This record gives sequence, structure tokens and C-alpha cells, in this order.
Amino acid sequence: GAVVSQHPSRVICKSGTSVKIECRSLDFQATTMFWYRQFPKQSLMLMATSNEGSKATYEQGVEKDKFLINHASLTLSTLTVTSAHPEDSSFYICSARSDRGRWEETQYFGPGTRLLVL
Amino acid sequence: DAKTTQPPSMDCAEGRAANLPCNHSTISGNEYVYWYRQIHSQGPQYIIHGLKNNETNEMASLIITEDRKSSTLILPHATLRDTAVYYCIVRVTSGTYKYIFGTGTRLKVLA
Repeated sequence: GAVVSQHPSRVICKSGTSVKIECRSLDFQATTMFWYRQFPKQSLMLMATSNEGSKATYEQGVEKDKFLINHASLTLSTLTVTSAHPEDSSFYICSARSDRGRWEETQYFGPGTRLLVL
Repeated sequence: DAKTTQPPSMDCAEGRAANLPCNHSTISGNEYVYWYRQIHSQGPQYIIHGLKNNETNEMASLIITEDRKSSTLILPHATLRDTAVYYCIVRVTSGTYKYIFGTGTRLKVLA
């Protein structure tokens, strides 16, 4: 149990285009999902917290108009990188927080999406 | 938010126990300690978590000091597949219960 998927796993796009990344909790409901980015040889940096049915909460320094987050259901959150530029190239990872049961409040992570902007 | 401090890297011989320390001296009384690991180019994998009692599961044991200012993750019989970056996290107790990742320990298991 507690499986989180991401799609796509890798994406290459041209500068100026937008890219959408999906995060799904496959076998549990998640009121809250989180989005992180990770640069090579660095730790994970929290970008935003996504709450089902409400606006996302962004960490300081993260542009909300650049990184659009939608959490339309209890099992799906999406991150859209708008007008992507080469500096947005990174490893994007989502996590979902289990809402109940023995593993309540534990975050389960997706496999990540590697974005390369040319 | 409590901050964690871990050694940047450690080596361990295959088959031996790997003991990974974490300092979280500013932890609050109701904040949990979580451990995850990340194998190259994958998402972090949950290992174990605890509040104040020692915990054990099929993957590892977690030893938390009585004052809760530090903890140790123990992999009892390390294998080559345990080579990864291990993160110790103190989870925020209010609001969204977000994680703040530290720099982690890069564990290398040697044959």
C-alpha cells in the first residue's frame, strides 16, 4: 500500500512552453500533497503544499504564477511549469500525505519527474 | 521548524550494521522523527518514524535518546542495495505537517 505515481517520468521541452506533471496516490486518499524540486547533488526543496479543493500554499521564493498547482481530487495533484526556461530543468518530486490509519500523516513519495528545458 | 544535522557521508561493510546518527537538538515535545532514503534518481522511500520510543520494522530500527535531541537509524545487516542518501526529518506538527529536508547522509555499503 501507499503507492504514489508520477507522470511523465521524463520530459524534454523547448524554452517557453508549459509542462504539466501529474501526481497520483494509487491506493489511498490524500487531502494534502507536496511538491519538491531537487537539483543535482542537492537535497529536496519544498516548493508548495497542495490541498484538495483549495489553493496551494507556496514556500518563500517560489513563484506561484510560474508553478501552477491544482489538486482537483483526493488522489490527483498537478504541477504545471509555465513558460519553462533552462533554469527550470530539475528533478520534480511529489508526495502524498496519508489521511488516516496507522500511517496517518506520513508522506509517501512519487518516483520523480526529470524535466529538461532546451 | 526543527533542524536536523547529519554527517555528510559514511561507509559500511556489507553484512555489518550501519548506524546513521542524526542530531535534532531543537525538537519540540510533540514532533516526530522520520527517516527516508533516496536511491539515485528515485523518490525518497519511507523507512521508519518515531516520537520517543524506540521503533523497529522489517527495514530498520530507530533509537531515540531520552532527551529526544538525537536519534540513530540502524540497518542491522547492510547490503549493497542499501547504498543511498539517508534523510532524517523532524516533521512540523501544525498545519500541513510539512517536511523540511536537511542535507542527509550518503551511505556507501562496501563489498
